[in-house]
Amino acid sequence: DSGVTQTPKHLITATGQRVTLRCSPRSGDLSVYWYQQSLDQGLQFLIQYYNGEERAKGNILERFSAQQFPDLHSELNLSSLELGDSALYFCASSVAGSNTGELFFGEGSRLTVL
Amino acid sequence: AQKVTQAQTEISVVEKEDVTLDCVYETRDTTYYLFWYKQPPSGELVFLIRRNSFDEQNEISGRYSWNFQKSTSSFNFTITASQVVDSAVYFCALLPFSGNTPLVFGKGTRLSVIA
Repeated sequence: DSGVTQTPKHLITATGQRVTLRCSPRSGDLSVYWYQQSLDQGLQFLIQYYNGEERAKGNILERFSAQQFPDLHSELNLSSLELGDSALYFCASSVAGSNTGELFFGEGSRLTVL
Repeated sequence: AQKVTQAQTEISVVEKEDVTLDCVYETRDTTYYLFWYKQPPSGELVFLIRRNSFDEQNEISGRYSWNFQKSTSSFNFTITASQVVDSAVYFCALLPFSGNTPLVFGKGTRLSVIA
């Protein structure tokens, strides 16, 4: 158990809909990262937050947004969903703001868009 | 640009065989970290090891060993006497020391260990 909690574990929705994925980092970790894992693209970095502020941004679509709240949990919002958004979305956390690389991953949220 | 290549998409071995997972990386940075993560069938990513670019010593942890060769930009992972529980997808990853560049993953190698 990494200590990172993601909900929901599975989500099935339709194209055009909007969903919110939630992540609670390990106790004491200030940084939260979101990654998308799909069969063809592998693990793609989406975005990082550190202590409530956006720290780094990857290839995150404009239809996607994220935030980190004062209690350090984070949410990833995916809107106007398309079939290609079906993937496993991972949240990870680490203590430091600068990425030292040892990320602790949650179990992921599997999104299926029909 | 940072890039990690895991040329082996899938490997199958019989239990007790040794297996090596290859990882080749590209980076212009002179200082960086390299990682291996394991993703078992349950789905979560489990951190296995981190090496920094200054330390080319090989590392052994039980049945696992890692061979870092800066000259060939490789960071290979060997499992000795493989077991069925080693069946998973293994990811190699790269992170430069500087800045906020995120962890860059290879596409993973799916290892199946057959009893």
